[in-house]
Amino acid sequence: SQKIEQNSEALNIQEGKTATLTCNYTNYSPAYLQWYRQDPGRGPVFLLLIRENEKEKRKERLKVTFDTTLKQSLFHITASQPADSATYLCALDDSNYQLIWGAGTKLIIKP
Amino acid sequence: EPEVTQTPSHQVTQMGQEVILRCVPISNHLYFYWYRQILGQKVEFLVSFYNNEISEKSEIFDDQFSVERPDGSNFTLKIRSTKLEDSAMYFCASRQGQHGELFFGEGSRLTVL
Repeated sequence: SQKIEQNSEALNIQEGKTATLTCNYTNYSPAYLQWYRQDPGRGPVFLLLIRENEKEKRKERLKVTFDTTLKQSLFHITASQPADSATYLCALDDSNYQLIWGAGTKLIIKP
Repeated sequence: EPEVTQTPSHQVTQMGQEVILRCVPISNHLYFYWYRQILGQKVEFLVSFYNNEISEKSEIFDDQFSVERPDGSNFTLKIRSTKLEDSAMYFCASRQGQHGELFFGEGSRLTVL
């Protein structure tokens, strides 16, 4: 069955630098891969969706890449700010149109 | 901006009691979901609902759980006889189509004593 792996350790980044988070999946390449942000005690909030035929997607300071050969998506935040500190979740559609979720990576941006 | 709303935000209950968590999905959405998240753990899928019936459910969603869309706007999750391990944050979510952005509510925190 499909599994998603995200770094379980928190990622500490200096303000102003680029943060890069990794999402690896184990099985078939999904048609869609999504990234969400979750703050403590809040529901996940959608950030970006990338399709399997897209290599890259951008939205303001965010960039997502999708490499079906490596079975990996990278999520970048450029010019990071303390307000970007949160847990970032990767999710992909399975064959039954359900989202399979990664455990998330906690990002800490230090001023 | 349309949003998914959930009530209550926090419920404390005794083990063995029934609990109903309520959700109002975004009005033009067709696919509805319940997830739970135990503190510090990952988001776990419980059930999906489409066209007035369950389309998929996880192993967690056993006989003590049920969902309903009684009036075309509310979407409820009922836990018949709560257990200590049901303590978690329960999130309702909806989306317009089979794929795409999932909109989450702010969650209902359930504490079972």
